[in-house]
Amino acid sequence: KAGVTQTPRYLIKTRGQQVTLSCSPISGHRSVSWYQQTPGQGLQFLFEYFSETQRNKGNFPGRFSGRQFSNSRSEMNVSTLELGDSALYLCASSYQTGSNSGNTIYFGEGSWLTVV
Amino acid sequence: EDQVTQSPEALRLQEGESSSLNCSYTVSGLRGLFWYRQDPGKGPEFLFTLYSAGEEKEKERLKATLTKKESFLHITAPKPEDSATYLCAARTGANNLFFGTGTRLTVIP
Repeated sequence: KAGVTQTPRYLIKTRGQQVTLSCSPISGHRSVSWYQQTPGQGLQFLFEYFSETQRNKGNFPGRFSGRQFSNSRSEMNVSTLELGDSALYLCASSYQTGSNSGNTIYFGEGSWLTVV
Repeated sequence: EDQVTQSPEALRLQEGESSSLNCSYTVSGLRGLFWYRQDPGKGPEFLFTLYSAGEEKEKERLKATLTKKESFLHITAPKPEDSATYLCAARTGANNLFFGTGTRLTVIP
């Protein structure tokens, strides 16, 4: 069974540009969440999508946005990139949203974004 | 304010030397305490989820336990391949995980 797949794995962008990252969840999973990981702040929640609707949002500026498609695949977009946006962006999927016992959350390998 | 604190930040063990990693949490309404392992340059790998105080789960040399205020990850007779960063995270609602900063474990042969 394939895991969570993220593309691209590595990318370099210039300040002011925008970037789109893609995530394909585990087959059958309908919830996709995004996280930012940096050495200073650790792993921080960006947002969660379930059935094409944003369910939760973390404390990030509006430059960070996302969407989910009918096949559960998700994209996140960062506009007007800043140097501080350099990070590992992780996508996670789970079967459903909510805190039901057994609702495990699995992560992909991440997309490394460097802003220069 | 929700908070998850892991200790120690780093731990060096001799191969076979058992120890425990601590994760203390202060969250409003815990809906699952997660443990992950993360190797350099990779995404977190799921280990355990604990839901209620007193619950324990085991996997090979790892055992996770949960109380009302903290969780422990016990490592018995570790091997060099257990070297990684171990992350704990609290779910407070939906699928929003609140992570600690991790414990970087090094097991020396």
